[in-house]
This record gives sequence, structure tokens and C-alpha cells, in this order.
Amino acid sequence: RKEVEQDPGPFNVPEGATVAFNCTYSNSASQSFFWYRQDCRKEPKLLMSVYSSGNEDGRFTAQLNRASQYISLLIRDSKLSDSATYLCVVTSGGSYIPTFGRGTSLIVHP
Amino acid sequence: EAQVTQNPRYLITVTGKKLTVTCSQNMNHEYMSWYRQDPGLGLRQIYYSMNVEVTDKGDVPEGYKVSRKEKRNFPLILESPSPNQTSLYFCASTPLGQDTDTQYFGPGTRLTVL
Repeated sequence: RKEVEQDPGPFNVPEGATVAFNCTYSNSASQSFFWYRQDCRKEPKLLMSVYSSGNEDGRFTAQLNRASQYISLLIRDSKLSDSATYLCVVTSGGSYIPTFGRGTSLIVHP
Repeated sequence: EAQVTQNPRYLITVTGKKLTVTCSQNMNHEYMSWYRQDPGLGLRQIYYSMNVEVTDKGDVPEGYKVSRKEKRNFPLILESPSPNQTSLYFCASTPLGQDTDTQYFGPGTRLTVL
């Protein structure tokens, strides 16, 4: 079983929709969690870190559920420019080898 | 401007011809790493370095070498490239000792080995 799993999608949603992605991780010792965004053939860029208390940045909300070992990303009022692949990244305590999920593809259409 | 640069951005080569992909960062980050990204497999770490002269294997180190003689540079060396090393490669750097271990990625190098 892969350590970090994501539904590859694609999630195909209309503009203005709310969409949510989940990412599950298998290592209970994981300590750091992130969502990255990657546009086609471009480098990944940090979207947001995920804290135990959850965090919100504009239309984006990230949450962590340690008991069930998953993190989530909620995007409200989707824009065409949100179309991208969203990568879940997990790092275990004391390890500097982050584990990337394979990404979830989002397509926002007019 | 704070950035990670990679060169070349695109490279087509032949089996067995040694090549080096350079990576440089101007943010004084201690930690640097190399990834390859393949369809359906996601990003996989090849090698990483915690600081100058300190390197270690990631998940897929076979066929690659790295060096870290200076803090800012972390070249990836393919001594004898093979077609299964055709991939999209990313270099990344991270500051250590801070609350976040956010990674800053270079723009990528698309390598084709014939």
C-alpha cells in the first residue's frame, strides 16, 4: 500500500462549485502535511500547510484528521484558474524525505 | 529574486553518454533534493542533501549520483544514462530549522534518453 494516497480524478466541476479532495496517509508518525499545486509541466508550488487546527486561506481550507489519518482540501467558488493537479505531501517526524501523493487533477469548466 | 534554477531545461541524449543537470539556489537553504516525475507514479525522490558534503539516497537512487561541494549547488549526474531515465526532473531546496519545511522547486528539466 502506498504511503500517501489520493484519488487521481479528474474532478470536473463548473465555475463557482465547491470541491473537496482527500488524501490518506499510512504512517501514523507523520508530522508535517502540505498541499501543493502543480500546473501542467510546471514545478509544484506550495498551496498551503495543514495544521492540526485546520487553516483557511481565502477560498481554500485545509484540514487534518489524525485519528483517521487523512488531510483534506476544500476549494470554494472554483475559478477556471484553479484547474491544476493538487499534490498531497506528508513528512514523518525526524525524516527529511517527504512523500508525495500522485496528485488529484481538477478541471474547472465555464 | 529568491529562486531555484536548473539547467538545462530540456535535454535529448543517447544511451551511455554522461550528463549533468545543474541545480542552484540563492536562498542559503541547507536542504536540497532531486526528484523525478513520471506519469502515474508521481514525484519520487532520488537523492537529498542536508548540507555541504552530506548526501543520502532517496527512494530511487539507482543510476544517479549527486555532489554537494557548495551550499548553493546540487548537481545531478547520470554516468551512463538509459532510456528508463527519461523523465521530468525537479530540484528543490528547503530551509531547515524553521517551522515549515516548505520546498521550493526549480522549473524542471525534461530529459529524453534515446
